[in-house]
Amino acid sequence: AQSVAQPEDQVNVAEGNPLTVKCTYSVSGNPYLFWYVQYPNRGLQFLLKYITGDNLVKGSYGFEAEFNKSQTSFHLKKPSALVSDSALYFCAVRRLWGATNKLIFGTGTLLAVQP
Amino acid sequence: NAGVMQNPRHLVRRRGQEARLRCSPMKGHSHVYWYRQLPEEGLKFMVYLQKENIIDESGMPKERFSAEFPKEGPSILRIQQVVRGDSAAYFCASSPPEGGSNEQFFGPGTRLTVL
Repeated sequence: AQSVAQPEDQVNVAEGNPLTVKCTYSVSGNPYLFWYVQYPNRGLQFLLKYITGDNLVKGSYGFEAEFNKSQTSFHLKKPSALVSDSALYFCAVRRLWGATNKLIFGTGTLLAVQP
Repeated sequence: NAGVMQNPRHLVRRRGQEARLRCSPMKGHSHVYWYRQLPEEGLKFMVYLQKENIIDESGMPKERFSAEFPKEGPSILRIQQVVRGDSAAYFCASSPPEGGSNEQFFGPGTRLTVL
């Protein structure tokens, strides 16, 4: 069975400091991995994805994520946090092969960036 | 290119009534997905449709819920005889037909409240 774990309900960071939002996954075979961000009362916005190739993936708004196959992790990172980055972040996985494209989401991590 | 459209944005129903949620995918997208977000939880997959076909409905409750994506018109998620536990945000997403590596684009959601 596929699953995603986001071990931290909330991450607090000061503006200008680096941030990391953690994600680990479990899937049979190779995964597609995604990060989405949700602002209050809004839909999800795509940030970045890992399909294949370089383990370090760069995405929107200065975010990046590192795929680590041995640790089955896909942590989201940003070198310098902004107050406007405060939002709910979701990691998601889907299997590389199979008829269904459904995404399995983690429970989300609330990022709070203090000025 | 307009994004994924959902209407209504907010829907209030009394117990026992029917709820109809509509989703228009992005132009050129033929794959539609419905997800449900319960309060304080992540998104849970419900159903994956292509034009006139249900591909995966493994996340749909066995009773009262149905979905369709007709040849013409929006995708419809229908909930019959709603109960208080159906109160949630329902998100629709779409993706192009080229393959599962594509990210899904989400609509703003319909927030259903059952009184």
